[in-house]
Amino acid sequence: AQSVTQLGSHVSVSEGALVLLRCNYSSSVPPYLFWYVQYPNQGLQLLLKYTTGATLVKGINGFEAEFKKSETSFHLTKPSAHMSDAAEYFCAVTPRSNDYKLSFGAGTTVTVRA
Amino acid sequence: GAGVSQSPSNKVTEKGKDVELRCDPISGHTALYWYRQSLGQGLEFLIYFQGNSAPDKSGLPSDRFSAERTGGSVSTLTIQRTQQEDSAVYLCASSLHGGAKFAGELFFGEGSRLTVL
Repeated sequence: AQSVTQLGSHVSVSEGALVLLRCNYSSSVPPYLFWYVQYPNQGLQLLLKYTTGATLVKGINGFEAEFKKSETSFHLTKPSAHMSDAAEYFCAVTPRSNDYKLSFGAGTTVTVRA
Repeated sequence: GAGVSQSPSNKVTEKGKDVELRCDPISGHTALYWYRQSLGQGLEFLIYFQGNSAPDKSGLPSDRFSAERTGGSVSTLTIQRTQQEDSAVYLCASSLHGGAKFAGELFFGEGSRLTVL
């Protein structure tokens, strides 16, 4: 079964500082990898995804993530945080074998200090 | 509508009562999912509908939970004899495709927050 671990349930950053959210998965075969974001009082929306090809993927709002097979990781970064980035972020995986069930991590809440 | 619509947005009920939660997916989306989000935990898969195929009910936590999808569109999640541990946000999502064409992009509703007293 797929397992996703997000390190840190809460992250606080200053406006303009680097945002780094960690995600590790556990499976012998690299799965498809996703980051979703949930802004206050809104539904989750896809931020970015990795399926094949370039291991550095870019998403909306200046976020990017890099798939590292050797580290079984898919960490999310943004060089400069903005107040509007305050939200909850979820890492998710699904096996490559046509499985439709996304397995989500516990989520990381990001607060941005002025 | 343009997005996934869920109702009610909030539901407070007494232990032992039955509740129904409704999901109206994006028009044309063939796949529909129910997830549960409990405080401090990730999203827990409950059930998946794809077209006319038999649903995947493997995530339903007990036989008190059931769901149906009528006409390949609207879905209802029913919880019978609610318990306090059922308190959570129930999220519905839809996607354009499922199975082999699945691309991982789920469109989520804002959820139905259930509180069982």
